[in-house]
Amino acid sequence: GDSVTQMEGPVTLSEEAFLTINCTYTATGYPSLFWYVQYPGEGLQLLLKATKADDKGSNKGFEATYRKETTSFHLEKGSVQVSDSAVYFCALSRFSGYNKLIFGAGTRLAVHP
Amino acid sequence: DSGVTQTPKHLITATGQRVTLRCSPRSGDLSVYWYQQSLDQGLQFLIHYYNGEERAKGNILERFSAQQFPDLHSELNLSSLELGDSALYFCASSVMASGGAYDTQYFGPGTRLTVL
Repeated sequence: GDSVTQMEGPVTLSEEAFLTINCTYTATGYPSLFWYVQYPGEGLQLLLKATKADDKGSNKGFEATYRKETTSFHLEKGSVQVSDSAVYFCALSRFSGYNKLIFGAGTRLAVHP
Repeated sequence: DSGVTQTPKHLITATGQRVTLRCSPRSGDLSVYWYQQSLDQGLQFLIHYYNGEERAKGNILERFSAQQFPDLHSELNLSSLELGDSALYFCASSVMASGGAYDTQYFGPGTRLTVL
């Protein structure tokens, strides 16, 4: 079945460091890919998405490119801030008549001043 | 604030009991989804309702049931609770029934259920 694999955390960085969180997926057809972020004590928020191969999603300095050849959707940010500390979830959705999201395990990011 | 509300925020109960979690979707959204977030299973899709009708079921136990009412709010009923049901339960809403990536799901803050 469909699945998403994320790099295990926690990821600990200093402020202004470069961030990469790896995400790979297994799915038939052409899924859509998402990154959601969960700040402490809050629900999930959509960070960015991509709907087809080679699409780049971007938001708040974060970027991810849909790579079909490597079945990947890695999240990157050039310079992280303390306020980026959160749990990041990679997810996919197949357009199969309903909107079920399949999530990875989540990666906790801690950014220190 | 996503516009999705969930009550209660926290719920502590005993094994064998029954609880009801409530979700109000964003104004204008017709779809409601329920997800369970636990330490061992991660985030899992439970069930999807669109405009009062069940559209899809995921890994939802038979002890769990849900419904969506005419005013579009939804309730998730959990019965014969076990220790392993302790988790964070999220509700999400979206506009369409099956819009895929073109229909963003907005998540509520969740209800934390603790079964003692």
